[in-house]
Amino acid sequence: EVVLTQSPGTLSLSPGERATLSCRASQSISSTYLAWYQQKPGQPPRVLIYDASSRATGIPDRFSGSGSRTDFTLTISRLEPEDFAVYYCEHYGSARELTFGGGTKVEIK
Amino acid sequence: QVQLVQSGAEVKKPGASVKVSCKASGYTFTSFAMHWVRQAPGQRLEWMGWINVGIGDTKYSQKFQDRITITRDTSATTAYMELSSLRSEDTAVYYCTRDVGDYYQNPWGQGTLVTVSS
Repeated sequence: EVVLTQSPGTLSLSPGERATLSCRASQSISSTYLAWYQQKPGQPPRVLIYDASSRATGIPDRFSGSGSRTDFTLTISRLEPEDFAVYYCEHYGSARELTFGGGTKVEIK
Repeated sequence: QVQLVQSGAEVKKPGASVKVSCKASGYTFTSFAMHWVRQAPGQRLEWMGWINVGIGDTKYSQKFQDRITITRDTSATTAYMELSSLRSEDTAVYYCTRDVGDYYQNPWGQGTLVTVSS
């Protein structure tokens, strides 16, 4: 079973700053099966990135994903007020089982 | 538009069962698998299982294997998740979410809060 570890747990930044979120897999995985979600309080998750680097429909280009094998990164180039939320990475397994990281909270500094 | 609407909040006693529904609209229901994911207060998302809506096959997380049942009613375009032998640790928000087929899920239902308390 793949274990995903996200860091940092909390990121305190100001609007306009760049956010860099990390997701590390316990074993090498195909980037095809790595996605990123955003979750705001009281709301369900929303897909941002799939295939490690492809933006989902309607996602602004300030969100970008990168990485391979065991190390993946979500970057928000310039934080907007609506970007302060919790972000999760997800691995899609061979039998369609899903594994999620512990999340990174991006909070206003 | 594609939408998943879940049933309302539930309060259950330990040992009881709960059945959460997920009504799909805006797409061909039988063409996409459906996952169930839960989130306990302050915890990470936890996958519970999925159903091949077209043929009804299911796969469950080992953690829930002996007390979860996922079904669907294609005529009602609704998926269901039933969890039995509830305990306080099952207090969580339960989500259904459509498997897009490109190894991610979209959209997600609004969530159903299940509270287990004596």
